[in-house]
Amino acid sequence: GNSVTQMEGPVTLSEEAFLTINCTYTATGYPSLFWYVQYPGEGLQLLLKATKADDKGSNKGFEATYRKETTSFHLEKGSVQVSDSAVYFCALGPNTDKLIFGTGTRLQVFP
Amino acid sequence: DGGITQSPKYLFRKEGQNVTLSCEQNLNHDAMYWYRQDPGQGLRLIYYSQIVNDFQKGDIAEGYSVSREKKESFPLTVTSAQKNPTAFYLCASSRDSGGKYFGPGTRLTVT
Repeated sequence: GNSVTQMEGPVTLSEEAFLTINCTYTATGYPSLFWYVQYPGEGLQLLLKATKADDKGSNKGFEATYRKETTSFHLEKGSVQVSDSAVYFCALGPNTDKLIFGTGTRLQVFP
Repeated sequence: DGGITQSPKYLFRKEGQNVTLSCEQNLNHDAMYWYRQDPGQGLRLIYYSQIVNDFQKGDIAEGYSVSREKKESFPLTVTSAQKNPTAFYLCASSRDSGGKYFGPGTRLTVT
């Protein structure tokens, strides 16, 4: 079946460091891929998405490329800020109703 | 401003009582969803509804019930049959495969 695997956290970085959060998936067909972010005490917010192979989603300095050959959708940011501290969820959508989420990766950025 | 509202933010109940969580959206989205989030875990789908007066069970529907009498509203009832009701509950809506919009969540504590 379809599934999403994220790297375990927490990921701890100093401000301005480079961020990578790994996400790999297993899916049949051609799903869409998403990254959501959850700030403390809040619901999830859509961060970026990609709907087909080789698409790059980007938003707020974050990027992720849909790599079908490696079944990956790693999240990257060149220079993190303290305000980026949150939990990041990778998700796969065979269709909108059956969005499958990873377990989340907590990012902690220190000044 | 368009968005999804959930109320209340925090809810406390005694074991054995049913409790209803509110979710309202003014985004004119057809589909609405309820997820449950437990510490260290990804989101799990409880119920979803694609149109008014219709809904389907998700992965963990036991002990929960929903209704969809209006397009804007999708209340979730946590019944006394739910064995571990304490969790963070997230409501979401979507119009197409572009991704879901989430509410701020309700944290339910049952003692």
